[in-house]
Amino acid sequence: DAGVIQSPRHEVTEMGQEVTLRCKPISGHDYLFWYRQTMMRGLELLIYFNNNVPIDDSGMPEDRFSAKMPNASFSTLKIQPSEPRDSAVYFCASSIKGALSGYTFGSGTRLTVV
Amino acid sequence: AQTVTQSQPEMSVQEAETVTLSCTYDTSESDYYLFWYKQPPSRQMILVIRQEAYKQQNATENRFSVNFQKAAKSFSLKISDSQLGDAAMYFCAYRVNFGNEKLTFGTGTRLTIIP
Repeated sequence: DAGVIQSPRHEVTEMGQEVTLRCKPISGHDYLFWYRQTMMRGLELLIYFNNNVPIDDSGMPEDRFSAKMPNASFSTLKIQPSEPRDSAVYFCASSIKGALSGYTFGSGTRLTVV
Repeated sequence: AQTVTQSQPEMSVQEAETVTLSCTYDTSESDYYLFWYKQPPSRQMILVIRQEAYKQQNATENRFSVNFQKAAKSFSLKISDSQLGDAAMYFCAYRVNFGNEKLTFGTGTRLTIIP
């Protein structure tokens, strides 16, 4: 298995632009998570899905952020409009319920908003 | 709400020596999992070791072992025979066994290996 695949690996955008981050989970995993990592706040859970349905989006910072999972093999995290404070590394991870293995993480997308 | 605390922002150890990273957590649950993740400069999150709360025996994976003290809500990671490749950020994480699948992370400890 290729693992969790995220794209792009790096993204630089101007303030006010729309940004879309993409994730392909491991086949057969029914949970998908989006995390944000910053120096100040560490790893924060933004949202997670179970069987493509959003379960907990309480970590989504504001209405500028939205996430979708149209099918079991694809999810997006969109920021519109982007702001400099959104600069961070965004991780996608997937798992199966109750997995002792924890999550499998993608390699992350480093977002820089200038 | 569950919280995970890592009180050591940075640690350093001589190559081949042993180092212990601390982690405490707060929960009202009795059935849960604890994890240590390693994040090298490549930023990939790598699972190092896991512990099921109902198991009294401490988990061990090669040079990595934990000291799990359930009553004290403590979960430290011991790295023996430290190697240069162990240099990374280490995150402690918690997840309840049933219900919410959310993984809650500590703030991390940056480990430096001194040659």
